[in-house]
Amino acid sequence: DAEITQSPRHKITETGRQVTLACHQTWNHNNMFWYRQDLGHGLRLIHYSYGVQDTNKGEVSDGYSVSRSNTEDLPLTLESAASSQTSVYFCASSPRLNNEQFFGPGTRLTVL
Amino acid sequence: RKEVEQDPGPFNVPEGATVAFNCTYSNSASQSFFWYRQDCRKEPKLLMSVYSSGNEDGRFTAQLNRASQYISLLIRDSKLSDSATYLCVVTNYGGATNKLIFGTGTLLAVQP
Repeated sequence: DAEITQSPRHKITETGRQVTLACHQTWNHNNMFWYRQDLGHGLRLIHYSYGVQDTNKGEVSDGYSVSRSNTEDLPLTLESAASSQTSVYFCASSPRLNNEQFFGPGTRLTVL
Repeated sequence: RKEVEQDPGPFNVPEGATVAFNCTYSNSASQSFFWYRQDCRKEPKLLMSVYSSGNEDGRFTAQLNRASQYISLLIRDSKLSDSATYLCVVTNYGGATNKLIFGTGTLLAVQP
């Protein structure tokens, strides 16, 4: 069955370290998204991509970057982790814009 | 003002009760509307889309009022398994940033 996976599921890191969170989908969806979810803020868009080699900034993109070298993967990199980036990160994909998004199981990141 | 606003709850209701959630959105140009369900420490999943004419799926009914810019979700005959956070989601068209805007969610706890 097609699916969307994230790894690792849990990560503890130290301030200043570079961290990469993986997202992989097998639906062949062009559109992929990264969100963070924090209490009181709901889901906030970090970066998104509409296809290979396309990346765009969302509302909370500072300190994060993404790359899209193929359809299946959209890794999220924290260049220099900060305690404010402690959060739950969700990756999502969708076949069409403004349509249902399918979410991965999430990555719980703690920055000490 | 947040683009999508929801009453955070919690709504504590007994089994069998009928419960309604409302959600307001600020952008009158919003085109697509959804309700997502999120279980504790899990990813959001689409519950139902919301159409202008209103739509029903079993015990769940969604309504859209464009004039007043609000969306509602009605759950009849509540089950224990309905306990979750319900996220109101709208899609805004605008330039190259067609994306979903999530509310912070309404927590429902169905009591035995």
